[in-house]
Amino acid sequence: DVVLTQTPVAQPVTLGDQASISCRSSQSLVHSNGNTYLEWYLQKPGQSPQLLIYKVSNRFSGVPDRFIGSGSGSDFTLKISRVEPEDLGVYYCFQATHDPRTFGGGTKLELK
Amino acid sequence: QVTLKESGPGILQPSQTLSLTCTFSGFSLSTYGMGVGWIRQPSGKGLEWLANIWWDDDKYYNPSLKNRLTISKDTSNNQAFLKITNVDTADTATYYCARTRQTTGAFDYWGQGVMVTVSS
Repeated sequence: DVVLTQTPVAQPVTLGDQASISCRSSQSLVHSNGNTYLEWYLQKPGQSPQLLIYKVSNRFSGVPDRFIGSGSGSDFTLKISRVEPEDLGVYYCFQATHDPRTFGGGTKLELK
Repeated sequence: QVTLKESGPGILQPSQTLSLTCTFSGFSLSTYGMGVGWIRQPSGKGLEWLANIWWDDDKYYNPSLKNRLTISKDTSNNQAFLKITNVDTADTATYYCARTRQTTGAFDYWGQGVMVTVSS
């Protein structure tokens, strides 16, 4: 199975700062069709996860442009510029290239 | 507007079979490229993908659950189902269903989740 390792486990931030989360895969996430199915989700306290980014860098409908996904192969990053209160919660990366699909362990974005 | 809602028994005993239903609206599971997935989350822990079913009835399972899973759909009633046999306390979790599409692989719309407790 593909293992997704997220770092850091917790990211203390000050509102208005930038935050960066890394997701490293145990193998390349490039599909045989050329696409890379790496997604990012945010789970706010007491809520269901919500999709932020799909296929590495595409923002889902309604997601602010302060969320930027990047990376390739097996190394991916989610950057959040100018963190706002509604950005706090647990971020998960997820790969849909290989079966079984797998989630990273999560990164908690919290206030300093 | 896409919505999904899970329903389940709430509590069941070890060795029983867990039956979950996902009732959705705003899309059809007969549409090319459309799918529904099930994901679970034990309290305070991370997310685990369980299974996907696609518009063409193709099914994929997480092998870590050792053939205990069965996913199915009722296209005419806009429902998807998940059965987990021989449950034990490790299956206690919140279970989510979510829409997925073949073009993105992502779960773009999620239900609110249903809590399931396995206890004797």
